[in-house]
Amino acid sequence: GAVVSQHPSWVICKSGTSVKIECRSLDFQATTMFWYRQFPKQSLMLMATSNEGSKATYEQGVEKDKFLINHASLTLSTLTVTSAHPEDSSFYICSALSHRGEGQYFGPGTRLLVL
Amino acid sequence: GENVEQHPSTLSVQEGDSAVIKCTYSDSASNYFPWYKQELGKRPQLIIDIRSNVGEKKDQRIAVTLNKTAKHFSLHITETQPEDSAVYFCAASIQDGNKLVFGAGTILRVKS
Repeated sequence: GAVVSQHPSWVICKSGTSVKIECRSLDFQATTMFWYRQFPKQSLMLMATSNEGSKATYEQGVEKDKFLINHASLTLSTLTVTSAHPEDSSFYICSALSHRGEGQYFGPGTRLLVL
Repeated sequence: GENVEQHPSTLSVQEGDSAVIKCTYSDSASNYFPWYKQELGKRPQLIIDIRSNVGEKKDQRIAVTLNKTAKHFSLHITETQPEDSAVYFCAASIQDGNKLVFGAGTILRVKS
């Protein structure tokens, strides 16, 4: 149990375009999901908390208009990187909060490269 | 806010030896401390966790200890194997206990 999928696994896009990343909890319902960003050889940096049916909560320094989060159902949260620039290139990972109180389970991540 | 420090940043051990990674946290309200293992290019995987009402937890070759008074917790891996080589992250919960603050990570290399 507690499987989280993420799509796409990697994406290359041109500067100025928008990219949508999906995070799904496959075998459980997740009222809360999290979006992280990870730079090479660095730790996980929390970007925002996604709550089903309500607005996402963004961490300090994260632009909510640039990183749009939608959590429309109990199994799906999406992150849209709008008007992407090369500095947005990174590894984006989502996690879902276990409904059994067993911590966060991570998706496989999405590697974004903006040219 | 919560600050989690993790040491060492890199750790090399001989196969069969033990490995210990230590973390300290600053927020006394933190009550959940998971450890994740991340292999190169892959997702972090929860390997063990501990809650503040427990001092030690063990799962086969992996154990975690927690000292709430000193605000530190440690990961112990015994009889290390080459497949234990990975980056290990500790984390501490904040606010309502759902959000996590991660340590900087420890690169563990097990030499055969």
